[in-house]
This record gives sequence, structure tokens and C-alpha cells, in this order.
Amino acid sequence: EAGVAQSPRYKIIEKRQSVAFWCNPISGHATLYWYQQILGQGPKLLIQFQNNGVVDDSQLPKDRFSAERLKGVDSTLKIQPAKLEDSAVYLCASSLGGLETQYFGPGTRLLVL
Amino acid sequence: RKEVEQDPGPFNVPEGATVAFNCTYSNSASQSFFWYRQDCRKEPKLLMSVYSSGNEDGRFTAQLNRASQYISLLIRDSKLSDSATYLCVVRGGGGSQGNLIFGKGTKLSVKP
Repeated sequence: EAGVAQSPRYKIIEKRQSVAFWCNPISGHATLYWYQQILGQGPKLLIQFQNNGVVDDSQLPKDRFSAERLKGVDSTLKIQPAKLEDSAVYLCASSLGGLETQYFGPGTRLLVL
Repeated sequence: RKEVEQDPGPFNVPEGATVAFNCTYSNSASQSFFWYRQDCRKEPKLLMSVYSSGNEDGRFTAQLNRASQYISLLIRDSKLSDSATYLCVVRGGGGSQGNLIFGKGTKLSVKP
């Protein structure tokens, strides 16, 4: 069974630029998560989707971050404009339901210069 | 107080050693508990769930003390392949019951 797919794997941008990340969850998984993992920290949840609806975006910096999952399958996370402190690994995870085991993708490593 | 706190590490141990990781959590309403493993530059992967009665999976033993809000992971007979960061994870008790809250992780390095 294919795992969670993410692209790109690496991205380097300058501050104030925009960037977008893509995630394709495991087939059949209704719940999708975006996490931010800063070096030396554990992952921190940014947003959780159930199908195409947002369950929790309380920790998403909405002035610059946005995410969508329009058809309830794949998802994009966008940062506009990026700041230096956004340098991190952005992990996508999916699960069958909100209380099921979460499976993580390989992540997108973002460096903001 | 941080929601999930772990030993800072790193732990450097020889092969065959027994090593224990500790974790405390702040929200007494938390419902589920896990240990995840994260290899260098890789994604986190579920190692094991943690149950109140304690549970074992081969060389790994996890314990939960709800009264003390304390979780532990014991690794016996360490292997080189156990080298990784171990993340203590807690679910529930906050606004969204399904959310996972991760500790910073404890890095383990097993040497020959």
C-alpha cells in the first residue's frame, strides 16, 4: 500500500516569497493533518481536515498560512509571505479517522533565507 | 509548564545496554499515549501505544502512570538500529480530542 506522498521534498526561498506544499494521503484516509517541525522540536499540528472540512486550525498562523483540501483527497499548504522563522519541515499525515493511527509522509524541508 | 516534557538527552549507550526514557504530560484529561520513533531526517513512525496496565513489544516496554501523569519507555538489549529520536506523544484533553501533542523528543545513540 502506498504511503503518504508529499512534494517537493526540499524548498529554498527568500523571505517574503510565497511557497506551496502538496500532500496526497493514503487512499481511503478521511483525516489529513499538516504539522510543522522546527529543528530540535516535536511536530506541532497546524491544521486538521476531516474529508474536505476543517476540524481544527487553531494553531495555523492565518495571516500568512492557508490550507485547503477541496475534493477531500489531496491537500495544499501555502505560506505567503514567508518569514525566516518558517524554516522547518512540514509534515503531512493521514488516518482513517480522527482517533486512528496517523501515518506521516516524508515531509517538505523548507529553508527561508 | 509544557504540555509534554521529555528527558533532554542525548543518550549515548553501548550495544546491549538497557535505556529508559521518561515523559510527563500536563493535561490530566489526556486520553491516549504513544511513543513514536523518528530517524534522522525521516518522518515519525508509531513505535507503540501505551496502556495503563503497561505493555511490551519485544525489547520495548511502555508504562503509564495516570496519577503521576508519567509515561516511560524501556529498551532492553539496545541495538545499533535503535539509534533514533524517541517522541512521547499524548492525545486528547484539549479543544480537539483527536489531536496529537508531541514532546521535543529524546535522541538515542547506540554505539558498538
